[in-house]
Amino acid sequence: AQKVTQAQTEISVVEKEDVTLDCVYETRDTTYYLFWYKQPPSGELVFLIRRNSFDEQNEISGRYSWNFQKSTSSFNFTITASQVVDSAVYFCALSPAGGTSYGKLTFGQGTILTVHP
Amino acid sequence: EAQVTQNPRYLITVTGKKLTVTCSQNMNHEYMSWYRQDPGLGLRQIYYSMNVEVTDKGDVPEGYKVSRKEKRNFPLILESPSPNQTSLYFCASSKLAGVPDTQYFGPGTRLTVL
Repeated sequence: AQKVTQAQTEISVVEKEDVTLDCVYETRDTTYYLFWYKQPPSGELVFLIRRNSFDEQNEISGRYSWNFQKSTSSFNFTITASQVVDSAVYFCALSPAGGTSYGKLTFGQGTILTVHP
Repeated sequence: EAQVTQNPRYLITVTGKKLTVTCSQNMNHEYMSWYRQDPGLGLRQIYYSMNVEVTDKGDVPEGYKVSRKEKRNFPLILESPSPNQTSLYFCASSKLAGVPDTQYFGPGTRLTVL
């Protein structure tokens, strides 16, 4: 069975601070995909990144960066120089790359990030 | 514009009154799925469909039905809604091209069952 844990329920920072959102996962699959989604106050789910289990390279996109460490089953997300517009709920998710659960997306509980001006 | 649409966006109903939430995508995606979002629980999968006429249960299928008669539509049916089905529902779709592709989500349907 798959499981995704986001231990931080809520994080509050002041604008321009860096913030890291933790994600730890459990899976028996040898190949899988990891995702981050953002849910702003308007409610829609916005795709941020997809990472496959073969690729442990860290990725940077503007102020966003992701640290994937297979050895610790973690896929953490860092926002550098946070802004008020980053305030949202962030979800980490996991999907197997094959097998009987192919296509099944398992989400973490979400982390509410509030960035104060 | 490529998108997943859901209707209605908001619905208040009473216990036992059958309802259908529609979901449609215009991207010719093979895979479609329904999720419910509840505070502290994240999103949980209700049903998913790998293609037309192929559906399967997710983690929380009880009390829900789905059908996939056409590629673009994947309605969620609540035959006899109960208050514990009050939730925010999302439909999602993705292109199934041999590897799990990114799922794109509809805008959500907020359902209240009194």
